[in-house]
Amino acid sequence: AQSVTQPDARVTVSEGASLQLRCKYSYFGTPYLFWYVQYPRQGLQLLLKYYPGDPVVQGVNGFEAEFSKSNSSFHLRKASVHWSDWAVYFCAVRLSSGSWQLIFGSGTQLTVMP
Amino acid sequence: EAAVTQSPRNKVAVTGGKVTLSCNQTNNHNNMYWYRQDTGHGLRLIHYSYGAGSTEKGDIPDGYKASRPSQENFSLILELATPSQTSVYFCASGDPLGGREQYFGPGTRLTVL
Repeated sequence: AQSVTQPDARVTVSEGASLQLRCKYSYFGTPYLFWYVQYPRQGLQLLLKYYPGDPVVQGVNGFEAEFSKSNSSFHLRKASVHWSDWAVYFCAVRLSSGSWQLIFGSGTQLTVMP
Repeated sequence: EAAVTQSPRNKVAVTGGKVTLSCNQTNNHNNMYWYRQDTGHGLRLIHYSYGAGSTEKGDIPDGYKASRPSQENFSLILELATPSQTSVYFCASGDPLGGREQYFGPGTRLTVL
């Protein structure tokens, strides 16, 4: 069955430090993958998306993610974290038929220390 | 810009009461979705729709009904609300053959006492 695992429920980094949020997926076939961000008391906003092609995708606000078929991963990275990045980050895989729904991971809460 | 709105934003209901959550989209997307968000579970799909008049069960439909009277509107109905339905509910719209991502509303925080 399709699933997404985000192994780190909470990550704390210092402002200006680099960041990696991990995402592992289980999907039969070619996955369409997404990272969404949820700021406090807000809805989900698309950060970046992967469609089959270049394995490194660029998103908004300096975020990027790298798709690895061999590792079944889609990790999110940022070179220098800003305090405004404090949020919950969700990784998701989209079904390619039927409901076309998104299957979400449980999310990673990012805390940025001054 | 794609827009999905939800009402109400906050709702307190009593056990056994009826609750209706509303969603409106101006994206002209065929597909609409209702998810609930609970700590440790991410978002889980309750109901979805392919267009006006269509409703389909998602992964956790028990205790919920849905209604899609038009392309723009999609409602989630709790006929007999229970405390276990206390959660944050998100509506989304998407065009899988177009942009492929889903656009989310701001969420409705529902508390059932």
